Amino acid sequence: NAGVTQTPKFRILKIGQSMTLQCAQDMNHNYMYWYRQDPGMGLKLIYYSVGAGITDKGEVPNGYNVSRSTTEDFPLRLELAAPSQTSVYFCASSYEVGLAGGRGTDTQYFGPGTRLTVL
Amino acid sequence: AQSVTQLDSHVSVSEGTPVLLRCNYSSSYSPSLFWYVQHPNKGLQLLLKYTSAATLVKGINGFEAEFKKSETSFHLTKPSAHMSDAAEYFCVVRSNYQLIWGAGTKLIIKP
Repeated sequence: NAGVTQTPKFRILKIGQSMTLQCAQDMNHNYMYWYRQDPGMGLKLIYYSVGAGITDKGEVPNGYNVSRSTTEDFPLRLELAAPSQTSVYFCASSYEVGLAGGRGTDTQYFGPGTRLTVL
Repeated sequence: AQSVTQLDSHVSVSEGTPVLLRCNYSSSYSPSLFWYVQHPNKGLQLLLKYTSAATLVKGINGFEAEFKKSETSFHLTKPSAHMSDAAEYFCVVRSNYQLIWGAGTKLIIKP
């Protein structure tokens, strides 16, 4: 298994440009997540998805969009890049059984990250 | 609301001496707690996790953490530091399906 993969590894954008960060997992996990990590900080949740076709906002969703058309893929879209979006972006996935059915693996698996700079 | 506080932004120890990284949490019920490690310019790796089984949790690379409900703490320890332990360490509490992250503690190992 490749686990969680992310592309690209690095990217520089100009203000106002748009781009999509790709994330894929081959572990058949139902939950997927996007986080950003600013210098000297922990991770902040941007969006998450509990399954194909279902997404929800996290702590810092403004300026981003996501979609989940398949179990494997969870792309993150930046429509109008701003300097405040300069960060390292991590995608993660986990297997969750659901509140009524007990807990899943309880562990999120992370991709290697995408370092984005907006100038 | 759940939260986590890492009490030290930097910890510096000599190689071969014990490591203690402190973490306090706030939770309205029995939490799931994790320690993740991030080596420079690398991704995140799970060190260990507590999910209401044994209060002393053993992880990878000789690290362990003890869950103390009375003190709302989940401190990370290692008996003898190695140069390869130099990294950033994050204490994390789970809130439903979301992870709430501490700000991180940078561990510096002196030769």
